[in-house]
Amino acid sequence: EIVLTQSPGTLSLSPGERATLSCRASQSVNSNYLAWYQQKPGQAPRLLIYAASSRATGIPDRFSGSGSGTDFTLTISRLEPEDFAVYYCQQDSTFGPGTKVDIK
Amino acid sequence: QITLKESGPTLVKPTQTLTLTCTFSGFSVTTGVGVGWIRQPPGKALEWLALIYWNDDKRYSPSLRSRLIITKDTYKNQVVLTMTNMDPVDTATYYCAHRLQPLEYPAFDYWGQGTLVTVSS
Repeated sequence: EIVLTQSPGTLSLSPGERATLSCRASQSVNSNYLAWYQQKPGQAPRLLIYAASSRATGIPDRFSGSGSGTDFTLTISRLEPEDFAVYYCQQDSTFGPGTKVDIK
Repeated sequence: QITLKESGPTLVKPTQTLTLTCTFSGFSVTTGVGVGWIRQPPGKALEWLALIYWNDDKRYSPSLRSRLIITKDTYKNQVVLTMTNMDPVDTATYYCAHRLQPLEYPAFDYWGQGTLVTVSS
C-alpha cells in the first residue's frame, strides 16, 4: 500500500507570498492518480488539482500542480486571504496527512 | 448541479453497526459514475473508505474491508455504507463524494457536507 508524506506540516506565510507544498509517495505512482484538495474549518474538502497538474473546474490559476514519480508539488503563486487552509494530496485510495497553511 | 447529502445516526454505541445513506441529485449512477465514502476524525486527516461504480464494482480500504459494505439504489439515487463493530476510534465526520469523470482520474469533485458520527456508550 502506498504511503503519502506531506511537508511541511505547517507553513506560515503572509498574504501575497508564494506557497510550495510537497507530497511524496513511498513508491512511484501514476501521475493521473495524484490529486490535491483544500479544506477549510467546518467545510468539506474542495478539489483543486487532479492528474497532478490539471486544475479542477473554477479553480484560480494561482494554484498549480507539478511532479511525477514519487514527488509532487502544489504551488500557490500569491496567497490570498481565503487560501489559508489545510491542503491534502491523494493518490487513488490514499490521502496524505495534510499541510496547514496559516497566516504568519 | 450535483449535490450529495449524508444521513444517518449521530450517535452509535460500541459494537453496533453504522448505516449511512448518501442521497444525491444532479447525476444518476449510470455509465462512468462512481460514488465514494471518506471519513475524517476530529482534527485529523482524511481517510478513504469505499467506492462503488455504476456497474456495481466495489472497492474497499484494505484496513477496513472486513467491516464495510457499500451498496447503491439506482432508482432512489442513493449509496449506502454499512460499517460493523463500531468503536470509539471510528468517531469521525463521514463524507460521501462524487468521483471525477472520466474515471481514469480517481479524485472526488463534489462532496457532501459530511455527517458527524460519535461512537460512545
